[in-house]
Amino acid sequence: EDQVTQSPEALRLQEGESSSLNCSYTVSGLRGLFWYRQDPGKGPEFLFTLYSAGEEKEKERLKATLTKKESFLHITAPKPEDSATYLCAVQARSGGSNYKLTFGKGTLLTVNP
Amino acid sequence: NAGVTQTPKFRVLKTGQSMTLLCAQDMNHEYMYWYRQDPGMGLRLIHYSVGEGTTAKGEVPDGYNVSRLKKQNFLLGLESAAPSQTSVYFCASSYSTRDRGKYEQYFGPGTRLTVT
Repeated sequence: EDQVTQSPEALRLQEGESSSLNCSYTVSGLRGLFWYRQDPGKGPEFLFTLYSAGEEKEKERLKATLTKKESFLHITAPKPEDSATYLCAVQARSGGSNYKLTFGKGTLLTVNP
Repeated sequence: NAGVTQTPKFRVLKTGQSMTLLCAQDMNHEYMYWYRQDPGMGLRLIHYSVGEGTTAKGEVPDGYNVSRLKKQNFLLGLESAAPSQTSVYFCASSYSTRDRGKYEQYFGPGTRLTVT
């Protein structure tokens, strides 16, 4: 069974204080690992897809990296508008289940001014 | 493009009542999905569809039915609502997994359902 564990559950940062969120996963053949941002009362917003170990993607202050067991979302010099819940999900390559995303429970990030 | 839209945004039902949630997408995606999100549980897949006229069960399908009569629409039905179905429901869509590099799912804004 595919599993995704995100840590920490919650993270509070001061504006400008860089940090990283972790996503550990087990999957029977990884097709892709996905990062989403979710604001309160809204649907998840797609950020990145990573396909293979060593791959990196960047968008503004966010940088996602991938190893064979985990992914990190690095946040550089965060601003209060980066406050949100960040979700990680994996999609397995194998057989008839290649449609399914398995989500972690998310990390609630709060950035104080 | 509006992306993925959901109606209604909020709904309160009494136990035993029925309702249908509507999802529409204008991205010409083949695949569509219904998830529920509960505190401490993360997003869980209810049903999905790989094309017009086809549907399949996800990990938590009991108590729900779905239909996909048109490519752009995916309906989620609750025939006899129960308090355990109180949740936030999200619809999502994606290209076919045959399209390399486009596996990401795009989500709607959600429907908050309360069953009393």
